[in-house]
Amino acid sequence: AQTVTQSQPEMSVQEAETVTLSCTYDTSESDYYLFWYKQPPSRQMILVIRQEAYKQQNATENRFSVNFQKAAKSFSLKISDSQLGDAAMYFCAYRSPPGANSKLTFGKGITLSVRP
Amino acid sequence: EPEVTQTPSHQVTQMGQEVILRCVPISNHLYFYWYRQILGQKVEFLVSFYNNEISEKSEIFDDQFSVERPDGSNFTLKIRSTKLEDSAMYFCASRPTTLAKNIQYFGAGTRLSVL
Repeated sequence: AQTVTQSQPEMSVQEAETVTLSCTYDTSESDYYLFWYKQPPSRQMILVIRQEAYKQQNATENRFSVNFQKAAKSFSLKISDSQLGDAAMYFCAYRSPPGANSKLTFGKGITLSVRP
Repeated sequence: EPEVTQTPSHQVTQMGQEVILRCVPISNHLYFYWYRQILGQKVEFLVSFYNNEISEKSEIFDDQFSVERPDGSNFTLKIRSTKLEDSAMYFCASRPTTLAKNIQYFGAGTRLSVL
């Protein structure tokens, strides 16, 4: 079974600075998807970014980018120019290969606070 | 932009009562999911649903739980006899059929409080 580990329960960043959130996972599959979801205080789950395992290029979405290290099974999220609205819980998630109607496996999440 | 809609936003019930949580997935999606998040814990998969049947379910999804797509738009989660430990946030998600769009879109969740 796949597992997702987020070992840092909390992190803090100064507004306008850069922060990196860590995530590791364990799988025997070679093709899969990885995601970062954001959960603000409203508790809605919002997709931040996704990465296909077969792609070597790291995904980017505006201020958000990932560092995907497939051999190390590591998938960290970098937030540049942090804003107050970035404060939220962030979950790393894994999904099995395309074509399978399979679930997301989430990590425990990390609480990010942004200092003004 | 289309979104997954969940109702109610907050449901309070007495232990032993039945509850039905409702979800309206995005209209052209055909894969549906329920997840739950107990306060302070991670999001856990409950069940996935496709072509009017359950595709996969977790060990949490026991005989007290059931899902249904009663019409072309709604997707419901029923808990027959709620327990205190069922108190959680319940999220519905849906996914398009195209492999290029392997993203699950989540609703805002229903907070279930069992007293």
